Amino acid sequence: SQQGEEDPQALSIQEGENATMNCSYKTSINNLQWYRQNSGRGLVHLILIRSNEREKHSGRLRVTLDTSKKSSSLLITASRAADTASYFCATDAIGNTGKLIFGQGTTLQVKP
Amino acid sequence: SQTIHQWPATLVQPVGSPLSLECTVEGTSNPNLYWYRQAAGRGLQLLFYSIGIDQISSEVPQNLSASRPQDRQFILSSKKLLLSDSGFYLCAWSGLLQGLNTGELFFGEGSRLTVL
Repeated sequence: SQQGEEDPQALSIQEGENATMNCSYKTSINNLQWYRQNSGRGLVHLILIRSNEREKHSGRLRVTLDTSKKSSSLLITASRAADTASYFCATDAIGNTGKLIFGQGTTLQVKP
Repeated sequence: SQTIHQWPATLVQPVGSPLSLECTVEGTSNPNLYWYRQAAGRGLQLLFYSIGIDQISSEVPQNLSASRPQDRQFILSSKKLLLSDSGFYLCAWSGLLQGLNTGELFFGEGSRLTVL
């Protein structure tokens, strides 16, 4: 069964606005990762947050992790049309030794 | 630098025909290798996971099999395709990157399979 579930399934915003995507998971994890997928392409790693971290930044990306609620959020600030893609969270569950389980993804459309 | 290649990029196969998708990784040794399948508009389902040559775990019961004849080669196969095997197949690797295992996956560009 899928470990991560993203919310919302689809998001449409104007360029310059912020986009927030949420991810919930079920079991204890070593880390949680976010990936991006352009249509018809492979996934690209964005950011990894470890279970002992609460927040992490990378450029316009901000990721939070709440292990007590088993949830994470990805914030993209000052969005651009080029940010249009699907975004997936993936969890490395304790005991699974590197096997990442992906959620269903959020499809983000940024309108110019 | 590390690279991952998948082929073919697209293929259309009749029901009952065999399948072979190949994936090779260059620039790293002893990678963990993965096959994922993505149905249209959906997330990724982990199919197979390999930590070494001939060491493969199957994550879901299915019509597919995987083999790892060489350290950097991962092959996804089927003897007889079903309609439900249609999808976007993604190969990925994880392991040492400049001496560090970051835990992230590096994906190929995918193979789109349509079974008719």
